[in-house]
Amino acid sequence: KAGVTQTPRYLIKTRGQQVTLSCSPISGHRSVSWYQQTPGQGLQFLFEYFSETQRNKGNFPGRFSGRQFSNSRSEMNVSTLELGDSALYLCASSSRLAEETQYFGPGTRLLVL
Amino acid sequence: QKEVEQNSGPLSVPEGAIASLNCTYSDRVSQSFFWYRQYSGKSPELIMSIYSNGDKEDGRFTAQLNKASQYVSLLIRDSQPSDSATYLCAVKNAGNMLTFGGGTRLMVKP
Repeated sequence: KAGVTQTPRYLIKTRGQQVTLSCSPISGHRSVSWYQQTPGQGLQFLFEYFSETQRNKGNFPGRFSGRQFSNSRSEMNVSTLELGDSALYLCASSSRLAEETQYFGPGTRLLVL
Repeated sequence: QKEVEQNSGPLSVPEGAIASLNCTYSDRVSQSFFWYRQYSGKSPELIMSIYSNGDKEDGRFTAQLNKASQYVSLLIRDSQPSDSATYLCAVKNAGNMLTFGGGTRLMVKP
């Protein structure tokens, strides 16, 4: 079974721009969670989507948003990029039968200049 | 603020030794606990999950949980240089959200 895939893998943007990241979960998984990883703050939860609905949200500003499509693929968007948004953005999926077990994708490394 | 604490390390052990990684958490109602391994430049990889007090063994890995002490540990027996990585402890809180510790960097020296 194919794992979680994320595109693009690397991205360079400038301050003030916006960015959209994509995540395709493991086949059959309907829950998708997004995390931000930085050297200073570690891994932090952004939000979780299940059946096209945001189910949980972390403590991030409204510039961070997401959505999930009917095929469980998910996107996250960051508007008005700031230098501090430079990070590894990780997507994780889980199945309905074992929701707490999350499998991570390779991540998208975002650099904001 | 629900927290998960780990010693950042590095923890250095010789090849073949037992590596012991520790984690404490603050939320008493937490029920699910996970250990992830993350190689430099890679994404976290799930190693173990544990839900009940006691030990859970999987190959060279043993997870230990003590809910009364709010303590989770991971033992790696017969440590290999390929085990050198950062080990992340994660606790499932409300909903499906994982709270991660800062990670412990393990170095296994040949």
